[in-house]
Amino acid sequence: DAGITQSPRHKVTETGTPVTLRCHQTENHRYMYWYRQDPGHGLRLIHYSYGVKDTDKGEVSDGYSVSRSKTEDFLLTLESATSSQTSVYFCAISLGPHDGELFFGEGSRLTVL
Amino acid sequence: RKEVEQDPGPFNVPEGATVAFNCTYSNSASQSFFWYRQDCRKEPKLLMSVYSSGNEDGRFTAQLNRASQYISLLIRDSKLSDSATYLCVVFSYGNNRLAFGKGNQVVVIP
Repeated sequence: DAGITQSPRHKVTETGTPVTLRCHQTENHRYMYWYRQDPGHGLRLIHYSYGVKDTDKGEVSDGYSVSRSKTEDFLLTLESATSSQTSVYFCAISLGPHDGELFFGEGSRLTVL
Repeated sequence: RKEVEQDPGPFNVPEGATVAFNCTYSNSASQSFFWYRQDCRKEPKLLMSVYSSGNEDGRFTAQLNRASQYISLLIRDSKLSDSATYLCVVFSYGNNRLAFGKGNQVVVIP
């Protein structure tokens, strides 16, 4: 299995609080992604990164920011969590840009009360 | 029209039977196609890429029909361990990103 770890794996927080999810990889892949998965929707891309300090928005980026200061770490921040951000968040890595062969982390389940 | 559409099911399949399902895509410029498998409360994992000529991997066969804009997945001799959700994924150079379907849920019944 690809060396991708997400933390925390589970988190319950209150509306209005900041939350940071961490994705750590040991594969030295250049490309990293954050997706969210909700019932009734396919996986949706939040933000992605092509390298250190090189990030861009996906299709559902409002309310989220990301940072990548090291190749191995990609952080997703919810500045002020809302109930609509209750979801399962998956980090993924790939060898090429938007490569169809993605390797996913185990997911972070976030509940915003 | 959604970019990628799948019938969520569930597809209840007797053990040993064959099950097949399709995924339709709306962007005719779509270039690459994939099937992912996702077990309950787990991460998606790549099952197979879908090539223009069709391809097979053991009991799994994937087909692409560009004229009708759909891909298919067929599972022969279904095993209990095949119970999962199968996600259709399409890459389009115009959007330059991957689009995921909601998945086909397969339940193999003993």
